[in-house]
Amino acid sequence: GAVVSQHPSWVICKSGTSVKIECRSLDFQATTMFWYRQFPKQSLMLMATSNEGSKATYEQGVEKDKFLINHASLTLSTLTVTSAHPEDSSFYICSARGLGRGEQYFGPGTRLTVT
Amino acid sequence: GENVEQHPSTLSVQEGDSAVIKCTYSDSASNYFPWYKQELGKRPQLIIDIRSNVGEKKDQRIAVTLNKTAKHFSLHITETQPEDSAVYFCAASKDHASGGSYIPTFGRGTSLIVHP
Repeated sequence: GAVVSQHPSWVICKSGTSVKIECRSLDFQATTMFWYRQFPKQSLMLMATSNEGSKATYEQGVEKDKFLINHASLTLSTLTVTSAHPEDSSFYICSARGLGRGEQYFGPGTRLTVT
Repeated sequence: GENVEQHPSTLSVQEGDSAVIKCTYSDSASNYFPWYKQELGKRPQLIIDIRSNVGEKKDQRIAVTLNKTAKHFSLHITETQPEDSAVYFCAASKDHASGGSYIPTFGRGTSLIVHP
C-alpha cells in the first residue's frame, strides 16, 4: 500500500516553455501533497504544500506564479513549471499524505532539464 | 520555525559494523520524527518513524531513539550490509494538536557507505 506515482520520470524542454508534472496516489486518498525540489547531493527543499480543493501554500522564496500547483482531487496533484529557464533544471519530487497521518510517501521524482 | 541538524554528513563503515546517525531539532512541540532512505536517483522511502510518546522503536536491524529533553533523535543500523548504502534523511514535524500540520523539516542527509 501507499504507492505514489509521478509522471513523467524525466523531461527535457526548451527555455520559455511550460512543463506539467503529475503526482498520483494510487491506493489511498491524499488529503495533502507536498512538492519538493532536490539538487544533487542535497536535501529535500519543500516548495509548497497543497490540500485537496484549496490553494497551495508556498514556502518563502518560491514563486507561486512560476510554479503552479493544482490539487483538484484526492489522488492527483500537478506542478506546472511556467516559462522554464535553465536554472529550473532540477529533480522534482512529490509526496502524499493521508488525512491525519504523519507519514508521507514519495513519488519517484521527475528529472527536469531546461535547455 | 523548526531547524533540524543532522550529523555526520558522510559515514563510512565496514560490512557488519553498526552505524549511528544523529539529528537534533529546535521546536520542542515537534512530535513526529521519520527517517527516510534514498538510494541514488530514487525516491526517499520511509524506513522507520517515532512519535514523542515513546523513547525507542525497533524494526529488525534498524532502531530509532528519541530524547525529548535534549531534543535529539538517532537512527541505529546494526549488522550493516552493502545494500544499506544510501543517503538517510531525518525529519521533524508536529501534528495539528501541537499547532502544526505534519509539515516536515528535513535534515541535510547522511551519505552512508558500507564497504564489503
